[in-house]
Amino acid sequence: KQEVTQIPAALSVPEGENLVLNCSFTDSAIYNLQWFRQDPGKGLTSLLLIQSSQREQTSGRLNASLDKSSGRSTLYIAASQPGDSATYLCAVESDTDKLIFGTGTRLQVFP
Amino acid sequence: EPEVTQTPSHQVTQMGQEVILRCVPISNHLYFYWYRQILGQKVEFLVSFYNNEISEKSEIFDDQFSVERPDGSNFTLKIRSTKLEDSAMYFCASSRGRGDSPLHFGNGTRLTVT
Repeated sequence: KQEVTQIPAALSVPEGENLVLNCSFTDSAIYNLQWFRQDPGKGLTSLLLIQSSQREQTSGRLNASLDKSSGRSTLYIAASQPGDSATYLCAVESDTDKLIFGTGTRLQVFP
Repeated sequence: EPEVTQTPSHQVTQMGQEVILRCVPISNHLYFYWYRQILGQKVEFLVSFYNNEISEKSEIFDDQFSVERPDGSNFTLKIRSTKLEDSAMYFCASSRGRGDSPLHFGNGTRLTVT
């Protein structure tokens, strides 16, 4: 049974820092891994999708990497800003038509 | 940019009552989903829907739950007889395809069962 874990659970950093959020999964047989952002009381916003054949994806200040064999992904946020404050979720899609989510990393960036 | 819309944003109901949560997915998307998030817990999969039928469902999605796409735009989740433990945020999502298409989520319906 696929399980997804994220560390750290919470992170508080000053503006301008580069950050790394970690995600690990137990079953390497995945179709893709997706990173989402969730603001309090809101839905999930898709940030990046990495297909199983890819090693990384980039969007603006965000870069996500995938090491399928070791069951790990990292989300790198460059030059963090207060507007980046949110909960970041990773999720994996395996051979069934559903996403398995991690517990999330709650990020706070202070000015 | 097109988005998934959900109504209502908040629903309060008494135990044993039926509720219908409504969603309008993005118009050219083919795959539709319901997820839920109990306060402080992980986002959990409920059901996926493609080509007018359920393609996958979780153990949570028992006989009390049903989904429907009554017309070309709406996608609904019905809970026939609500329980206290059904209280959660329910998210609708849609995607263009499987494997290479991200899911787009709505802002959710907060269901409170009293």
